[in-house]
Amino acid sequence: AQSVTQPDIHITVSEGASLELRCNYSYGATPYLFWYVQSPGQGLQLLLKYFSGDTLVQGIKGFEAEFKRSQSSFNLRKPSVHWSDAAEYFCAVGLRNSGNTPLVFGKGTRLSVIA
Amino acid sequence: DSGVTQTPKHLITATGQRVTLRCSPRSGDLSVYWYQQSLDQGLQFLIQYYNGEERAKGNILERFSAQQFPDLHSELNLSSLELGDSALYFCASSSNRGDETQYFGPGTRLLVL
Repeated sequence: AQSVTQPDIHITVSEGASLELRCNYSYGATPYLFWYVQSPGQGLQLLLKYFSGDTLVQGIKGFEAEFKRSQSSFNLRKPSVHWSDAAEYFCAVGLRNSGNTPLVFGKGTRLSVIA
Repeated sequence: DSGVTQTPKHLITATGQRVTLRCSPRSGDLSVYWYQQSLDQGLQFLIQYYNGEERAKGNILERFSAQQFPDLHSELNLSSLELGDSALYFCASSSNRGDETQYFGPGTRLLVL
C-alpha cells in the first residue's frame, strides 16, 4: 500500500528564513505528487503538483518542490518565509494510470513563523 | 476559492443521530471524493464517485454512505453518530480528463455531543 511520511510534525522558522519541508513516499512506481496547505479553520489549498517532466516544480506563493526519484522524496521549499505562511502543510500521492484516484496524505507538518 | 462548495460549514448534533453533508463539485468535474480529517487519524479517504457511480472505497464505516446525483452534486450520509465521528469532512473534485488534481472544498466541521 502507498504511504507518505512527513517526518517533521512541527517546524518553527524565523520570518525571512528559508524553509524546507520533507516528504517521502512508498510506492512501487512514481505516483502523482502534491503539496497542499491548510490554514487554521480553512480547507486545503493546492500549492503545487508533479505529474511528469521537470523535477523542479513551481507553485503558488513562492513555493517550489523537487522530485527525487532515487530518494522517493518530494520536498517543499521556500527561499524566504513570510508570517502568512504559518499553516499546516500536507504532502499527498495518487496512483498513476488508474483514472482519478484517491489521495494518500502524510500526517502534515505544522509551520510556525516567528519574528 | 477552489470552486468546490460544501454545506453546512458547521454541524452540531447528538450521538445516535443522522446527518447529511452536501458537496457541489467544480463546474465540469465528474469525480467527487470524500475525506475525513481527525486529530488521531489525519486525512483519510472515505469514498469516490464518478459520474454518479461509486468508483473507489476507502476507510468508510458501514454507518456512512454517499451518493452522487445526476447534477453531479454529492451527499455524504452519516448515521448512528458516535462521539468519534466528530471531524472535519472534506469534499474534493477532479475533472477526469487527464488531470488528476483534486480541488478541495472548505469542509464541514461535525461535532457530535
